[in-house]
Amino acid sequence: DAKTTQPTSMDCAEGRAANLPCNHSTISGNEYVYWYRQIHSQGPQYIIHGLKNNETNEMASLIITEDRKSSTLILPHATLRDTAVYYCIVRMNYGGATNKLIFGTGTLLAVQP
Amino acid sequence: GAVVSQHPSWVICKSGTSVKIECRSLDFQATTMFWYRQFPKQSLMLMATSNEGSKATYEQGVEKDKFLINHASLTLSTLTVTSAHPEDSSFYICSATRTRAGNTIYFGEGSWLTVV
Repeated sequence: DAKTTQPTSMDCAEGRAANLPCNHSTISGNEYVYWYRQIHSQGPQYIIHGLKNNETNEMASLIITEDRKSSTLILPHATLRDTAVYYCIVRMNYGGATNKLIFGTGTLLAVQP
Repeated sequence: GAVVSQHPSWVICKSGTSVKIECRSLDFQATTMFWYRQFPKQSLMLMATSNEGSKATYEQGVEKDKFLINHASLTLSTLTVTSAHPEDSSFYICSATRTRAGNTIYFGEGSWLTVV
């Protein structure tokens, strides 16, 4: 079973920041938080990942709480192309079989014009 | 650009026939690849772990004789759906890990299978 919980859906106005929450209260010390998104009829796309520090890349920012039980993915200026299902996943990062990802239901982000 | 490629992107086959889907890692070697299946409006479901040079590991409830997986090289894994039936129609997706990118997992574009 997936080890994360996310809201089923969210709306965001185009140009505004989209903040997608994720709860992972049972995360263990050696597990990372990964975010992927899936645009309709495509394979999932990697967005960002982190262990305990906040992370930022060209796509998004990841804010992880100090107790690591929850995190927030931030898309700073959402566009219509960001409409997708966003998946928050926790996993170890040791390679091999630990690379399998167990997907939850994700959050459908709908960016409105 | 894509780092994991699947082929074909979509395929239609007759009931009772077999269909092979390829998953290739581009510009990197992947000792482990994963196969997922996704039905419409549902999340991805892990089917099996493809191990280079050894037998695949299947998730509970996935028939290994129906979904044959071969990982003959470090850049290629294949999934063969044998004796396909309409209920096997689905979106099949593979993933591979790019070790040099900090074990980041990349997914293929997916393959739509329709069994008629």
